[in-house]
Amino acid sequence: QQQVKQSPQSLIVQKGGISIINCAYENTAFDYFPWYQQFPGKGPALLIAIRPDVSEKKEGRFTISFNKSAKQFSLHIMDSQPGDSATYFCAAGTSYGKLTFGQGTILTVHP
Amino acid sequence: DTGVSQDPRHKITKRGQNVTFRCDPISEHNRLYWYRQTLGQGPEFLTYFQNEAQLEKSRLLSDRFSAERPKGSFSTLEIQRTEQGDSAMYLCASSPPFRLGNIQYFGAGTRLSVL
Repeated sequence: QQQVKQSPQSLIVQKGGISIINCAYENTAFDYFPWYQQFPGKGPALLIAIRPDVSEKKEGRFTISFNKSAKQFSLHIMDSQPGDSATYFCAAGTSYGKLTFGQGTILTVHP
Repeated sequence: DTGVSQDPRHKITKRGQNVTFRCDPISEHNRLYWYRQTLGQGPEFLTYFQNEAQLEKSRLLSDRFSAERPKGSFSTLEIQRTEQGDSAMYLCASSPPFRLGNIQYFGAGTRLSVL
């Protein structure tokens, strides 16, 4: 019940395209859903996060869509750039505890 | 504010040796987390502190692992009698108090290689 399943494992997008990464969770107690970006040799960096009382949150080129009934959420990266090439992790947790991470998606944006 | 600091960045050790890692959280962050990340996987939770109290430990944290956070400031993670399966990136994260949500800021990690 603690799993977070993330897809796809890898994604190749052309510059200017839209990158979409999906996650599904099982534990209905989760109430915090962040997305992290990780470059090789670095720790994960928080990109954007959402709570289940809203269905969408947008920050710049990054948008989270959240479907509480389906227990799914997704990250959309608009106008993808080569600098966005990284590994992206979704995560889920409660307000003050541990995060459970997805398996990660390796995004490659071709110029 | 220089972010979460971890030391060392890399550690190579022989099987059976003990190793200790240090994490310095962002100033005034009262929550501190340890995660382990293996190649191609997401971080896995190990343990978490609120101030100096260790509030939760994962089943992944065997008897060979111990973590401390004296005085609620920096934290150490010790692995005794290391095994090759302990080879991984060990990540530390911290969170500020009284924030809506659970924003965790990660350090760059300590990469452990057990030979």
